Amino acid sequence: KAGVTQTPRYLIKTRGQQVTLSCSPISGHRSVSWYQQTPGQGLQFLFEYFSETQRNKGNFPGRFSGRQFSNSRSEMNVSTLELGDSALYLCASSPGQGSGGYTFGSGTRLTVV
Amino acid sequence: AQKVTQAQTEISVVEKEDVTLDCVYETRDTTYYLFWYKQPPSGELVFLIRRNSFDEQNEISGRYSWNFQKSTSSFNFTITASQVVDSAVYFCALSPYYNNDMRFGAGTRLTVKP
Repeated sequence: KAGVTQTPRYLIKTRGQQVTLSCSPISGHRSVSWYQQTPGQGLQFLFEYFSETQRNKGNFPGRFSGRQFSNSRSEMNVSTLELGDSALYLCASSPGQGSGGYTFGSGTRLTVV
Repeated sequence: AQKVTQAQTEISVVEKEDVTLDCVYETRDTTYYLFWYKQPPSGELVFLIRRNSFDEQNEISGRYSWNFQKSTSSFNFTITASQVVDSAVYFCALSPYYNNDMRFGAGTRLTVKP
């Protein structure tokens, strides 16, 4: 059974650009969440999608957005990148809401220069 | 509001020592889940255990054991006879029963020296 797949693994972007990260959940999982991990702020919840609908959202500016497709794959987009957006972005999938925990992917390491 | 506190930022032990990682949580929910995850240098968060709020039985899995005490809002993790491969950052997390909004503690970096 394949795990959660995130692409790309590493990314370097310039300030002001936008970026799209991709996440393929475990087959059959319908809930996908995204987290940002930085040394200063730790692991912070970005948003959760379930059945193509955003169900929960963390405290991030509108530059951070996401979507989920009918096959449960998810993308997150960050527009107008800032240096502070440099982080490890982790995607996690779960069978459904309230399923009690996630399986995480290996993450995408984004560096903004 | 939910909050998870891991007061120990870094712990260093010598191989074969026992080590306990502390986790204290706050929540207004009456039913919730508690978790421990391990993050090795590769970056992936590896699931270790999940407990629900109405099951306070302690659990042992090999060298790992967990002590859940609802009265003190604590969910501590003990590694017995630590090994170098246990070196990682360990996160405690909390989520409500009704959604997957997980809140993580700041993590404890464990270094096990040979």
